[in-house]
Amino acid sequence: GAVVSQHPSWVICKSGTSVKIECRSLDFQATTMFWYRQFPKQSLMLMATSNEGSKATYEQGVEKDKFLINHASLTLSTLTVTSAHPEDSSFYICSARPTSGGVRGLETQYFGPGTRLLVL
Amino acid sequence: KQEVTQIPAALSVPEGENLVLNCSFTDSAIYNLQWFRQDPGKGLTSLLLIQSSQREQTSGRLNASLDKSSGRSTLYIAASQPGDSATYLCAVGGYSTLTFGKGTMLLVSP
Repeated sequence: GAVVSQHPSWVICKSGTSVKIECRSLDFQATTMFWYRQFPKQSLMLMATSNEGSKATYEQGVEKDKFLINHASLTLSTLTVTSAHPEDSSFYICSARPTSGGVRGLETQYFGPGTRLLVL
Repeated sequence: KQEVTQIPAALSVPEGENLVLNCSFTDSAIYNLQWFRQDPGKGLTSLLLIQSSQREQTSGRLNASLDKSSGRSTLYIAASQPGDSATYLCAVGGYSTLTFGKGTMLLVSP
């Protein structure tokens, strides 16, 4: 089946540093990938939509200069949290929509295992 | 803006019980609705996907229904097992986005 991986699964960093999270579709190509953030006991909130070869689309309230997204290939999207602060500590989950999937809504979207970020 | 609410927030049942999880959404103009399972500290596992034109979907002991006009969906779990313990998330699919509820945390005790 379709598998999406994320790396790292866990990261602890000091305040002010930058952290890069990778999202890979292992056995399919994904023109579109999505980045979500989940705080404890809260729902997943879409941060941005990442499109291969073009700029990401950010949701309202998400700082594009703080959360840098690069979708350089059909199997890889990266999220870089720049100048991380303790309030950025969260669970970040990506998902990937197969290029050959349906166009009517998100008929097929595969989720990664998530990356837990702790900023000290 | 689509809002998704899940009730109850938490549920504890003994093994073998049948149970129902509820999901409601404010905008009925949806493309589909999905139910996911999330284990602690883990990603999401898709359980069932119901297209907007469908009324229900079944997979094993799981049955999900959709009433688009009233903005409701239910996930029915038959003969619950301890392995069913997890958080269940409902997500409503618009044209290009998924809107998630906060989930129902289910605990099935042996």
